[in-house]
Amino acid sequence: DIEMTQSPASLAVSLGERATINCKSSQSLLYKYDNKNYFGWYQQKPGQTPKVLIYWASTRASGVPDRFSGSGSGTDFTLTISSLQAEDVAIYYCQQYYSTPITFGQGTRLEVK
Amino acid sequence: QAQIVQSGAEVKKPGASVKLSCRASGYTFTSHNIHWVRQAPGQSLEWIGWIHVDRDKTRYSQKFQGRVVITRDTYASAVYMELSGLTSEDTAVYFCARNALSGGFDYAHFDSWGQGTLVTVSS
Repeated sequence: DIEMTQSPASLAVSLGERATINCKSSQSLLYKYDNKNYFGWYQQKPGQTPKVLIYWASTRASGVPDRFSGSGSGTDFTLTISSLQAEDVAIYYCQQYYSTPITFGQGTRLEVK
Repeated sequence: QAQIVQSGAEVKKPGASVKLSCRASGYTFTSHNIHWVRQAPGQSLEWIGWIHVDRDKTRYSQKFQGRVVITRDTYASAVYMELSGLTSEDTAVYFCARNALSGGFDYAHFDSWGQGTLVTVSS
């Protein structure tokens, strides 16, 4: 199984400041035949279902504000929120869909400082 | 706009089975495969398995192999997940989610989720 390790486990950032969440996979998620990283980021607000923010490591999902961006390749990935808004308080999960079982990180709880 | 609606909460005794449903609308049902994922209280997300809706093929996490069966009914645009041999460790919210890529057996991100079904296992 591919293990996904997120850091930090929790993060407190002031409104308007940058938030950065990291995720490391135990093996490369870059598929050489299509040059895509089979990796995504999800946001889960309290009492809600997860919502995809980023897929293929860096493609923003429809309707996601452009303050959210994804970067990285292979085994190391980053989610950046350029200017934190109050509505961004949530738990963020990374996911690999390179192989089954599809696995998720343990989550990063993002709060306002 | 894809929409997925799941069945209501369940309370089961240890050793029992539970069958959950997931009804899709707003898109061609057979064009996208469906995953099942669960989330125990305060925990992360755990993948259970998926079904290729058009070909009626399934793949399960080794953790649940032998205990889970995922089926579909194309006439009802519904997918079902039955989990047997329940223990307290199975208490969780169970989600079904649509594979973003249409057709084929390629995995992708999950672009539409059901609202979740809480399964509580308690004696």
